[in-house]
Amino acid sequence: QQQVKQSPQSLIVQKGGISIINCAYENTAFDYFPWYQQFPGKGPALLIAIRPDVSEKKEGRFTISFNKSAKQFSLHIMDSQPGDSATYFCAASPGTASKLTFGTGTRLQVTL
Amino acid sequence: DAGVTQSPTHLIKTRGQQVTLRCSPKSGHDTVSWYQQALGQGPQFIFQYYEEEERQRGNFPDRFSGHQFPNYSSELNVNALLLGDSALYLCASSLQGGEKLFFGSGTQLSVL
Repeated sequence: QQQVKQSPQSLIVQKGGISIINCAYENTAFDYFPWYQQFPGKGPALLIAIRPDVSEKKEGRFTISFNKSAKQFSLHIMDSQPGDSATYFCAASPGTASKLTFGTGTRLQVTL
Repeated sequence: DAGVTQSPTHLIKTRGQQVTLRCSPKSGHDTVSWYQQALGQGPQFIFQYYEEEERQRGNFPDRFSGHQFPNYSSELNVNALLLGDSALYLCASSLQGGEKLFFGSGTQLSVL
């Protein structure tokens, strides 16, 4: 019940396009849902996070959509840029961000 | 403002040996968490330290142990190394009860 399932495994998007990554969770105790971006040789960096009391959160080109009844959440990257090429992880935890359960990651490639 | 720093960056050990990894948290942070990231996978929570005590633990055997010092820095110790312990070990810091986790760049451990 601790699993977070992430899809797709990899994604190729043209510059200027919209990148969409989806995650689903099972544990109803999860109430904090962050997205992390990781470049090769670096640790994950927090992009944006949401709690289940809102259905959407936007920060710049990044938007999280959250569906509590379906236990799903997604990351939308608008106007995708080559610099966005990285691996993206969804995660979830009960309460604070300490004990995060991560998805398996999505490798995003943004082409020119 | 220095972020989370980890040492060493790379380490090669043989089966059965013991290893110690070190982490200095981001300035002002009092909580340190350790994660293991296998190649192509998301990070997995090992444990969290706060006030020099282990507060939460993931599904890892007792071969994995840690310590937190009065200056909030932390060590991860792994005994009786197995080939399967080869991974990127990530340290993350936060404020106790805070939402944002800041990750270091990790220590790449190879067990031969």
